Amino acid sequence: ETGVTQTPRHLVMGMTNKKSLKCEQHLGHNAMYWYKQSAKKPLELMFVYNFKEQTENNSVPSRFSPECPNSSHLFLHLHTLQPEDSALYLCASSQEGPYNEQFFGPGTRLTVL
Amino acid sequence: GQNIDQPTEMTATEGAIVQINCTYQTSGFNGLFWYQQHAGEAPTFLSYNVLDGLEEKGRFSSFLSRSKGYSYLLLKELQMKDSASYLCAVWDSNYQLIWGAGTKLIIKP
Repeated sequence: ETGVTQTPRHLVMGMTNKKSLKCEQHLGHNAMYWYKQSAKKPLELMFVYNFKEQTENNSVPSRFSPECPNSSHLFLHLHTLQPEDSALYLCASSQEGPYNEQFFGPGTRLTVL
Repeated sequence: GQNIDQPTEMTATEGAIVQINCTYQTSGFNGLFWYQQHAGEAPTFLSYNVLDGLEEKGRFSSFLSRSKGYSYLLLKELQMKDSASYLCAVWDSNYQLIWGAGTKLIIKP
């Protein structure tokens, strides 16, 4: 495997379910990101981890819970979501520091019923 | 507030040239990125500008004017595979990456 991978690629869940999204990067990067992408809206940064430490939480609802066990893996735990949370969830990684390009995974298309 | 403006959609003809504009109002500036995103796929990096001027990379060029808060992406010799969304993003003074909503480019034969 190369680059940034995400599983599952598609997920349909009810509002009472608990599920997790997984991201793995094979690039040796030390920063990882979760984004939400809704149709015709800018990418919304949700969480940032540098060297496994969370450095950003842009007022994301607590029904989204990130976990970064090591610099290669990132999870997004989902619990009691709302239909408006339906979107494409993208994971990205980069070298730590502001000038480095981010490499994106293919995303998980989430539908909340 | 922080804002990045791009046209929502543009149409161009195969073989032609198209310019996609991006204007930004951010709290400080530490660089501007352009990404390409094909439908159903991940965004991929195209260019990074931090100084004024034109950066050329094959058929794609990116221009920056910091005093005007303005950038454009220039695509030459358009190919059908260039049909995609093009995302502009700016690093602000707090090193937050602010994203535009993207410009959907449609290429017609």
